Amino acid sequence: DAGVIQSPRHEVTEMGQEVTLRCKPISGHNSLFWYRQTMMRGLELLIYFNNNVPIDDSGMPEDRFSAKMPNASFSTLKIQPSEPRDSAVYFCASTLGRQSSTDTQYFGPGTRLTVL
Amino acid sequence: KQEVTQIPAALSVPEGENLVLNCSFTDSAIYNLQWFRQDPGKGLTSLLLIQSSQREQTSGRLNASLDKSSGRSTLYIAASQPGDSATYLCAVKGGSYIPTFGRGTSLIVHP
Repeated sequence: DAGVIQSPRHEVTEMGQEVTLRCKPISGHNSLFWYRQTMMRGLELLIYFNNNVPIDDSGMPEDRFSAKMPNASFSTLKIQPSEPRDSAVYFCASTLGRQSSTDTQYFGPGTRLTVL
Repeated sequence: KQEVTQIPAALSVPEGENLVLNCSFTDSAIYNLQWFRQDPGKGLTSLLLIQSSQREQTSGRLNASLDKSSGRSTLYIAASQPGDSATYLCAVKGGSYIPTFGRGTSLIVHP
C-alpha cells in the first residue's frame, strides 16, 4: 500500500482565497483524522471521521474551516476565506478504526500551507 | 481533559550516548500510548505502541515503558546515532479513542 496520500504537498496562497487540501487514507482504514501542526500550538486535532461520518469536529477553529469525506477513500479540508494565521502544516492520518488498544495511526506527509 | 507533557523539549547529545525521553499524562484511564518519530518536513512514523495492560515494548535499540499509575512513559534509546536525530512525540489514547499528543522532544545526536 502507498500509505496515506496528501495533496498538494505545498500550497502558497493569498489571504482571502479558498484552499482545498486532499487526503486519501490507507485502503481498508475506517477512521480518518485531520491535524494542524504549528510551532506555537504543536499538533492539534481538527476533525475525526469514522466510516465517513464526522464524529468529533470540536477542534475545527471556526466556520471558515470545513471537512468532508464523501467516500471511504477520499477526504477534503477546505478553508474559505484563508487568513495568514492559517499557515501551518496540515496532516491527515488514518487507522483501521477498531476501538482496540492496538489500533495504530498512520500519517500522511502533510501539506505545508502558507497564506500571504 | 487529558494533557500530555514531554520533557525535555530539546536535547543534544554526542553519538553513542544512551538517552531517555519522558512523557507524562494526567488521566491514567488510557487504552494505549504510542511513540512517534517526526523527521523535518515529514509526517509522523509510529515507533512503538504500548497497550494499557503492558509495561514495556522493545524494537531494536528502542525501549518504551509505561507506568499508568504514575502517568508516565519513557522512551529509551541505546547507543544513539546521528540518524536518530528527529522529533519524538508521544500520544495517549483514552476513552474517546482520539489520541492526545505531546509537544515532542527535539533530539540532535552529533558525531
